[in-house]
Amino acid sequence: IQMTQSPSTLSASVGDRVTITCRASQSISSWLAWHQQKPGKAPNLLIYKASSLESGVPSRFSGSGSGTEFTLTISSLQPDDFATYYCQQYSSYPYTFGQGTKLEIK
Amino acid sequence: EVQLVESGGNLVQPGGSMRLSCAASGFTFSNYAMSWVRQAPGKGLEWVSTISDSGGSTYYADSVKGRFTISRDNSKNTLYVQMNSLRAEDTAVYYCAKVPQTGHVYYQIDSWGQGTLVTVSS
Repeated sequence: IQMTQSPSTLSASVGDRVTITCRASQSISSWLAWHQQKPGKAPNLLIYKASSLESGVPSRFSGSGSGTEFTLTISSLQPDDFATYYCQQYSSYPYTFGQGTKLEIK
Repeated sequence: EVQLVESGGNLVQPGGSMRLSCAASGFTFSNYAMSWVRQAPGKGLEWVSTISDSGGSTYYADSVKGRFTISRDNSKNTLYVQMNSLRAEDTAVYYCAKVPQTGHVYYQIDSWGQGTLVTVSS
């Protein structure tokens, strides 16, 4: 299953609302996760089952979608949110990741 | 607190072998599936392999099938990957990751180690 994220790069300002899209090449139901990765660090789980917020993750992060189209929304960008975001499908093996969306400061 | 600590990464020549380890703590290791995910320099994440909680089922990416072997020792709370016939394109940071499992259903990666760098070069 191929996962395609858009955009690849996103420039935004603190306080902005941003949305990242992830599309699957076939239906994955709601078996989708979002991970955040900062430079030189390991990824960190944000969202699982498309819309469930991982414990400890700020509520400004939200996920939605099912089937083949999914979104990650950050309601009000904070300085700590500038990072790269990856979607991951776990509907079937091989697990696959999107190519990543780099969120940059405008 | 979940801790996953990888070790064993180093420089190896093409065609060589290497074994990575991941020491787990802070959770009941034998109740979870475990995965390896890698990231080539400046690139995105690539799933490599997953092993079930008991070790009885294993899954591999096509890019490593036949060359890599994932295993675990539940008595030592440790995950391994034996990597043979290494190629330049295997150069990456290798992350150990924890995967909730219920029966034959595997869920999202929910915790990551800090990674260990494998460099394949002559």
